[in-house]
Amino acid sequence: DAKTTQPPSMDCAEGRAANLPCNHSTISGNEYVYWYRQIHSQGPQYIIHGLKNNETNEMASLIITEDRKSSTLILPHATLRDTAVYYCIVHTGRRALTFGSGTRLQVQP
Amino acid sequence: EPEVTQTPSHQVTQMGQEVILRCVPISNHLYFYWYRQILGQKVEFLVSFYNNEISEKSEIFDDQFSVERPDGSNFTLKIRSTKLEDSAMYFCASSDSPGGGDTGELFFGEGSRLTVL
Repeated sequence: DAKTTQPPSMDCAEGRAANLPCNHSTISGNEYVYWYRQIHSQGPQYIIHGLKNNETNEMASLIITEDRKSSTLILPHATLRDTAVYYCIVHTGRRALTFGSGTRLQVQP
Repeated sequence: EPEVTQTPSHQVTQMGQEVILRCVPISNHLYFYWYRQILGQKVEFLVSFYNNEISEKSEIFDDQFSVERPDGSNFTLKIRSTKLEDSAMYFCASSDSPGGGDTGELFFGEGSRLTVL
């Protein structure tokens, strides 16, 4: 699976959009971009995934650049409960999901 | 909403003792996983399991570890002789397709915290 690069930490004001970037410049054509998060020490939670089109669900939006070398996870109206570590993972599904260090998002009141 | 359940939530054991961590995956899922997270570190993959056999394992998953699906509902991780460095949170996960597949979704349990003294 391709390597990803994320900032180690970010802050966001409550109610504002949180935009979490991820670089995956070595992504190959059959690899998806997945986002998970881990709130405190709970089990990781799936957020969203995409291949090349932008995706939106009830939790977030995923914007993938046209060359697929980077993506942004958008939490449109961050709440304190969105404080977590967010993992961007590039993955084909043929092997087990592996987690990097992620971005620690702190939502400030 | 269906969920993965794990027991115990916390276990304290003496070094050298055997430990069994239990998981009940989501009922129609066929792919099962164990991950661990040492305090302050990354979530690390241990093993995946499908069709009653290990489909992939990491370097961490050595001979001290074993997994089993003893009946139609439980999925267990056994650590044969625990070491201090086995202290971690252990997460079970399940999915209805390999590695999460195109749906991308692994469902994780809340974890079992193992403390080895």
